[in-house]
Amino acid sequence: EAQVTQNPRYLITVTGKKLTVTCSQNMNHEYMSWYRQDPGLGLRQIYYSMNVEVTDKGDVPEGYKVSRKEKRNFPLILESPSPNQTSLYFCASSRTSVSGELFFGEGSRLTVL
Amino acid sequence: GQQVMQIPQYQHVQEGEDFTTYCNSSTTLSNIQWYKQRPGGHPVFLIQLVKSGEVKKQKRLTFQFGEAKKNSSLHITATQTTDVGTYFCAGNTGGFKTIFGAGTRLFVKA
Repeated sequence: EAQVTQNPRYLITVTGKKLTVTCSQNMNHEYMSWYRQDPGLGLRQIYYSMNVEVTDKGDVPEGYKVSRKEKRNFPLILESPSPNQTSLYFCASSRTSVSGELFFGEGSRLTVL
Repeated sequence: GQQVMQIPQYQHVQEGEDFTTYCNSSTTLSNIQWYKQRPGGHPVFLIQLVKSGEVKKQKRLTFQFGEAKKNSSLHITATQTTDVGTYFCAGNTGGFKTIFGAGTRLFVKA
């Protein structure tokens, strides 16, 4: 089954404790992206990757890091989480780096205390 | 920077009534996509519009892309309780970024 898998789905952590949210897709998609969803603000892009080893900032990259060492994986790293990073995070992938249908993961709800 | 404004933020309808959500971009778009997110779920792709003035239909859903490729709308005829959720438009200017509108949350009363 074609899917985008995120882990963990839920996480409560404390300020400053590094964490990684993993994202994996099994569709051989070139393009992957991370979004955060906050009430009233819709989905805002954090980082995206056009292919292996190629990443770029989205609209809200501060406080986040990403890497794309393999085509299927695109982890989101929070080096020193702060309460304003409490949010619902979605990973998405698309077949090519040109705009197209985005396939979303189930989401990861992160709470930073 | 590029912005995609979506209205209304919320819409309450009685089952059987029609519903429309609108998107406006500050810049010309190469395409626009629409997604639906059920409560507690993740966004799911509905459709992509590419051509100026394009109109596409999916059963009770009608999608339009403006002549200037800066606005779009989604119209649902005779809403059903299964239509409940948040509808997002997402615009692309030809680059690698897709900008989402804030979404319209639809409530349907049976």
